Amino acid sequence: KAGVTQTPRYLIKTRGQQVTLSCSPISGHRSVSWYQQTPGQGLQFLFEYFSETQRNKGNFPGRFSGRQFSNSRSEMNVSTLELGDSALYLCASSLVGSTDTQYFGPGTRLTVL
Amino acid sequence: AQSVTQLGSHVSVSEGALVLLRCNYSSSVPPYLFWYVQYPNQGLQLLLKYTTGATLVKGINGFEAEFKKSETSFHLTKPSAHMSDAAEYFCAVSGLYNNNDMRFGAGTRLTVKP
Repeated sequence: KAGVTQTPRYLIKTRGQQVTLSCSPISGHRSVSWYQQTPGQGLQFLFEYFSETQRNKGNFPGRFSGRQFSNSRSEMNVSTLELGDSALYLCASSLVGSTDTQYFGPGTRLTVL
Repeated sequence: AQSVTQLGSHVSVSEGALVLLRCNYSSSVPPYLFWYVQYPNQGLQLLLKYTTGATLVKGINGFEAEFKKSETSFHLTKPSAHMSDAAEYFCAVSGLYNNNDMRFGAGTRLTVKP
């Protein structure tokens, strides 16, 4: 069974731009969660989608948004990029949610210049 | 208040020595507990998880963890470290606030010396 895939793997943007990251979950998984990983703040929960609905959201500004499609693929969008948005963005999928085993993708490394 | 505390951001052991990585959580209700490992430039991989039942949980690569409710701890151990165990380890908890919000500890970087 194919694992979680994330595209692109690396991205360089400038301040003020917007970016869209994509995540394809493991087949059959309906829950997709997004995390931001930085050296200073560690791993922080962004949001979780289940069956196209956002079930929970972490403590991030409204510039961070996401969505999930009917095939469970998910995208996250960051608008008006700031230098502090530079991070590794990880996507994880599971059958039912975070109480279940989550399978992580390799991440998208975003650099904001 | 932080939900998960990992004691020690860096742990160094010799090859063959015991590995002990500490994790404490703050909750009056037993949550779901996980240990993940992250190798450089990779995502996270589940080592083991505790949901209910037996408090000693065995995971992959010879790791195990014991859930101690009285101490609100979930420490990770491995009897004999291998060079390939060098990585960053994260303790995580879910079910504290709602079932869909996983909180990670700050991580512990494990170094294995030859």
